[in-house]
Amino acid sequence: GEDVEQSLFLSVREGDSSVINCTYTDSSSTYLYWYKQEPGAGLQLLTYIFSNMDMKQDQRLTVLLNKKDKHLSLRIADTQTGDSAIYFCASSYSGGGADGLTFGKGTHLIIQP
Amino acid sequence: GAVVSQHPSRVICKSGTSVKIECRSLDFQATTMFWYRQFPKQSLMLMATSNEGSKATYEQGVEKDKFLINHASLTLSTLTVTSAHPEDSSFYICSARVGGISGIGYTFGSGTRLTVV
Repeated sequence: GEDVEQSLFLSVREGDSSVINCTYTDSSSTYLYWYKQEPGAGLQLLTYIFSNMDMKQDQRLTVLLNKKDKHLSLRIADTQTGDSAIYFCASSYSGGGADGLTFGKGTHLIIQP
Repeated sequence: GAVVSQHPSRVICKSGTSVKIECRSLDFQATTMFWYRQFPKQSLMLMATSNEGSKATYEQGVEKDKFLINHASLTLSTLTVTSAHPEDSSFYICSARVGGISGIGYTFGSGTRLTVV
């Protein structure tokens, strides 16, 4: 089945850009998502990208997709203390269908003052 | 829009008892809901897919008799952890697909922290 990998921690200074990376194995993945989870809370959808796109920008967030390398990244510009959370990369085979999402283990974003 | 409400947010129960977790779609109809389990510092693992009016589909390794799922209406799915044991302590999150059968978005409940003592 699909395997989604992320590094577990990323530490950045406040005001710098954060880049969170993710790799996946299933080239049939149709949609790729980034979710944010704050302590003890559910998941908040940040953004998603369709597999035929290579970039998507939404305010401070930029998603880059390299389908050939099966590599996805999330860039957060001007990182703030409120961005401190765990960020999950997730893939979907059919963009819905009958299947749930396959998640990476999550990257804990730590903001240094 | 597209809000999923999950209750309770926290529950502590004794070993051997059962606990029911509810997941409601507030402003849309959810024919399919998903139940995930998250261990500390780990990813979310899909447990089962809940389909309105039919039996749930369980992932490999998930005990059907232990984790009972009922999806009796288009806005409510429940997960009942039966005869709970301390190893069932975890964070359970439900999710629903937004936008109907071809929808590409998933919205999540706020999760339920289950502690079995």
